[in-house]
Amino acid sequence: GAVVSQHPSWVICKSGTSVKIECRSLDFQATTMFWYRQFPKQSLMLMATSNEGSKATYEQGVEKDKFLINHASLTLSTLTVTSAHPEDSSFYICSAQLAWNNEQFFGPGTRLTVL
Amino acid sequence: AQSVTQLGSHVSVSEGALVLLRCNYSSSVPPYLFWYVQYPNQGLQLLLKYTSAATLVKGINGFEAEFKKSETSFHLTKPSAHMSDAAEYFCAVSVNTGFQKLVFGTGTRLLVSP
Repeated sequence: GAVVSQHPSWVICKSGTSVKIECRSLDFQATTMFWYRQFPKQSLMLMATSNEGSKATYEQGVEKDKFLINHASLTLSTLTVTSAHPEDSSFYICSAQLAWNNEQFFGPGTRLTVL
Repeated sequence: AQSVTQLGSHVSVSEGALVLLRCNYSSSVPPYLFWYVQYPNQGLQLLLKYTSAATLVKGINGFEAEFKKSETSFHLTKPSAHMSDAAEYFCAVSVNTGFQKLVFGTGTRLLVSP
């Protein structure tokens, strides 16, 4: 149980285009999901906390207009990187939180490469 | 503010040897602490967690960690390394109560040689 999926697993796009990444909790409902960013050989940095039915809470320094988060249902959160640039290339990982004990379960990640 | 420090970006051991990955925490309140493992191009998998119950925590794959308040440490150990243990290991502390937000250490890459 407690499986989280991400789609796509990797994506290559041209500079200036937008990319949407989906995060789904497959066998549980998650009122809260988290989006992280991981640079090569570095740790995970929390970008934002996504709550179902409300606006996401962004960490300091994360541009909310650049990284649009929508938590439309209890099993789906999406991260849209708008007008992507090469510096947005990174590994994006989401996690979904179990309501009863707040434990986070992580998705497999999405590697974004912006040319 | 809560934080964790992982000493050593790389640790190399021989197969069958003891694994010791170090993590020290800083927290103004009793912390919840975690160890995660990440295999290449994958997400994170929880190895074990400390939530103020027993100070010696046993996890999956033969790993365990001991919470030592006096040393502000939560080191991860495994008596005998296996080749499949080669991965990146992250220590994390939760901010606020429960698992609300996780702050990760910089990670330690474990290399296991035959």
